[in-house]
Amino acid sequence: NAGVTQTPKFRVLKTGQSMTLQCAQDMNHNSMYWYRQDPGMGLRLIHYSVGEGTTAKGEVPDGYNVSRLKKQNFLLGLESAAPSQTSVYFCASSYSLAGGNEQFFGPGTRLTVL
Amino acid sequence: GQNIDQPTEMTATEGAIVQINCTYQTSGFNGLFWYQQHAGEAPTFLSYNVLDGLEEKGRFSSFLSRSKGYSYLLLKELQMKDSASYLCAVMDSNYQLIWGAGTKLIIKP
Repeated sequence: NAGVTQTPKFRVLKTGQSMTLQCAQDMNHNSMYWYRQDPGMGLRLIHYSVGEGTTAKGEVPDGYNVSRLKKQNFLLGLESAAPSQTSVYFCASSYSLAGGNEQFFGPGTRLTVL
Repeated sequence: GQNIDQPTEMTATEGAIVQINCTYQTSGFNGLFWYQQHAGEAPTFLSYNVLDGLEEKGRFSSFLSRSKGYSYLLLKELQMKDSASYLCAVMDSNYQLIWGAGTKLIIKP
């Protein structure tokens, strides 16, 4: 089992460029999440999904879009990157949204926007 | 607003015991999680508390008091590999995790 995988691991963008961060899980989890982690701050939820074909906004959704066309994949898109989006992005998955289901995290994508 | 508070940094000695505190104010409560995060790596799950009391798991224990909005993570017999950040997170009424900024634990020989 690979768990949760993310690509790419590192990326540098110029302001205004677009990109897609990819996330895959092989644990047959129903829920998937995208977080960003910035120095001195807690993880912040960007978007999440409770099942194939469904997505919802988290705490900081502006400037991002997501898609969950297949249960095992969750994509995060930046249409027009801004320096404020420089961050480490983590994808996570869990069996379900509720209860004590732990979230499993991918290794992260370090994004710099110049 | 929702808020999770934990100390920014703590230092302890190898072989000793350390307690990392977390206080929270959230919209609803559906459990509290502790995660460990080594520098440059992903968070990994340590514990989950939903009822008051102490949960013990090897060298690590986690305590919860819902009436006080308070939890702590207790690490015993500290090892150098325990040097990491420890993240407290509360699941709110919408089943979303609200995360603290983390406590960086430095272990000295």
